[in-house]
Amino acid sequence: VQMVESGGGLVKPGESLRLSCAASGFTFSYVWMSWIRQAPGKGLEWLGRIRSKTAGGTTDYTAPVKGRFTFSRDDSKNTLYLQMNSLTPEDTAVYYCATGFTDAFDIWGQGTVVTVSS
Amino acid sequence: QAVLTQPSSLSASPGASASLTCTLRSGVNVDTYTIFWYQQKPGSPPQYLLSYKSDSDNQQGSGVPSRFSGSKDASANAGILLISGLQSEDEADYYCMIWHSSASVFGGGTKLTVL
Repeated sequence: VQMVESGGGLVKPGESLRLSCAASGFTFSYVWMSWIRQAPGKGLEWLGRIRSKTAGGTTDYTAPVKGRFTFSRDDSKNTLYLQMNSLTPEDTAVYYCATGFTDAFDIWGQGTVVTVSS
Repeated sequence: QAVLTQPSSLSASPGASASLTCTLRSGVNVDTYTIFWYQQKPGSPPQYLLSYKSDSDNQQGSGVPSRFSGSKDASANAGILLISGLQSEDEADYYCMIWHSSASVFGGGTKLTVL
């Protein structure tokens, strides 16, 4: 069971970036997937989630990212995506995908670093 | 005021017990929530430890030692993570979490030092 994020990097303010989270070892299509980030030296911040297709595939976003970030999933590729637009320095963080078969996040990716700086 | 408040740091000695608190904001009743606890070591993602709603409704994470346990203090409106028989490897950041209004909310984290 593992998840591997990719796509992080250094971008300028206002630019876009797409992160991926590739899952293996479990039935990806069954689970609701979340994105969680952690700014340098700070705590964990839940960004939102995308439900499984059987639950409608709908999304929830927190206020800081609503309208700028988009979650999507490709169950045929066992992959979750995070499209980030209009990035600001405040978006600088390690981005994790996380999930579980209960309400706990018991499966985490290793994280990918996003740095927004001019 | 944050939904979940954790002390920023706590120190304890090897072999002792440490009680980490997670206080819910006034009006957010701890009795109605399951409290989730995570451990994070430097450079690693968080790891799920356990969840606690009541003595009859709680779950230990896979492979998590039984010296990690959860409880609540209703009088303080707080969830508690108790770590007994502290070991040097328990030195880490600990985060509590609840699902509040269909959103996941994390506490600010407690840095536990074992010395």
